[in-house]
Amino acid sequence: AQTVTQSQPEMSVQEAETVTLSCTYDTSESNYYLFWYKQPPSRQMILVIRQEAYKQQNATENRFSVNFQKAAKSFSLKISDSQLGDTAMYFCAFMPPHLMIKAAGNKLTFGGGTRVLVKP
Amino acid sequence: EAQVTQNPRYLITVTGKKLTVTCSQNMNHEYMSWYRQDPGLGLRQIYYSMNVEVTDKGDVPEGYKVSRKEKRNFPLILESPSPNQTSLYFCASSFSVLGGTDTQYFGPGTRLTVL
Repeated sequence: AQTVTQSQPEMSVQEAETVTLSCTYDTSESNYYLFWYKQPPSRQMILVIRQEAYKQQNATENRFSVNFQKAAKSFSLKISDSQLGDTAMYFCAFMPPHLMIKAAGNKLTFGGGTRVLVKP
Repeated sequence: EAQVTQNPRYLITVTGKKLTVTCSQNMNHEYMSWYRQDPGLGLRQIYYSMNVEVTDKGDVPEGYKVSRKEKRNFPLILESPSPNQTSLYFCASSFSVLGGTDTQYFGPGTRLTVL
């Protein structure tokens, strides 16, 4: 079974600075998908960024970028130019490849989350 | 507006009193699932459904039931709730069953407290 670990329960950052959230995972699969989700105080789950394991290029979405190290099974999220609206819980998640026999390929396995506080 | 809706958003109940949390999506999605969120544990999958009348257990199915009689609806049923089912519940859906190439949409969450 896959596991996802986020070792930083909480982090704080000054507005306009950069913060990096760590995530490690364990899997025997060679192809899979990794995600970062943001959960603001409204509790809504918002997809921040997606990475496909067979793509070596790190995904980027505006101020959010990842450092994907497949051999190390590491998937960190960097938030640049932090804004007050970035204050939220961030979850790293793993999704296995689609399995034709038992189609559980859509299942997301989440880490425990990292709470990020952006200070003015 | 494309969305996943859940009702109720908040619920306080007592041990043993059957309850249903509804989930509905208006995007004609094939795949739907339920997660529960607990502090330090992230979200864990309870049940999922690949299509109408096709459901299967996730990682933490004990104490829950689901049904998928219509494509748009996927209710979560707690036949005899217990305090350890106090949690934040999310319904999610995606268009296909092809996994990571497809975005999963989450509902707004249901905060359940079982006394």
